[in-house]
Amino acid sequence: EVHLVQSGAEVKKPGESLKISCKASGHIFTSDSIAWVRQRPGKGLEWMGIIYPADSDRRYNPSFQGQVTFSVDRSINTVYLQWSSLKASDTAIYYCARHEVYDDGPGWLDSWGQGTLVTVSS
Amino acid sequence: EIVLTQSPGTLSLSPGERATLSCRASQSVNSRYLAWYQQKPGQAPRLLIYSTSTRATGVPGRFSGSGSGTDFTLTINSLEPEDFAVFYCHHYSRSPFTFGQGTRLETK
Repeated sequence: EVHLVQSGAEVKKPGESLKISCKASGHIFTSDSIAWVRQRPGKGLEWMGIIYPADSDRRYNPSFQGQVTFSVDRSINTVYLQWSSLKASDTAIYYCARHEVYDDGPGWLDSWGQGTLVTVSS
Repeated sequence: EIVLTQSPGTLSLSPGERATLSCRASQSVNSRYLAWYQQKPGQAPRLLIYSTSTRATGVPGRFSGSGSGTDFTLTINSLEPEDFAVFYCHHYSRSPFTFGQGTRLETK
């Protein structure tokens, strides 16, 4: 089983940059993929996209393309979600979650991080 | 993009009753690629069901999933107090892998 631990809450001002992390431990396969999921206050879940740590291949939900960047440091089993210029509308809880490998592709999300609350306010 | 629409938005029931939650897709989804999650306040979502009807490890037998094509259902038999939460359906058919907007199951 994969265990995901995310970095702590952040408070930022509009226009600032930010990078949050998600560290994986446990039985990690080379074909694993990690998704980022946004949840705005009082709202539902939004799948932002996916990164494959083995080769850093990334697929973004078109709704988030150009707004965020996914990256990975394989040496420490950690994936990152990054913003270059935050907006108030980025205020949300961000979850990382592991896609189970299924039919040689991403399947269901079977392990979730605890979430990172990002607050953007002037 | 496949849009998943859940209904009802809120379901008010009492412990012991049966809950039926619906998830309708804007396009046909292979039943192998549809999952359900439960989220309680202040917690991360938890996988309940994958491939439409397979319960995840540790999920009680009162939870069951069914459906095909564009219509999928999560049924919870004999509700327990700990079942009240928000439930999301999710497809992983093709990117982007979207979620439904959620159904809130509340105590009547």
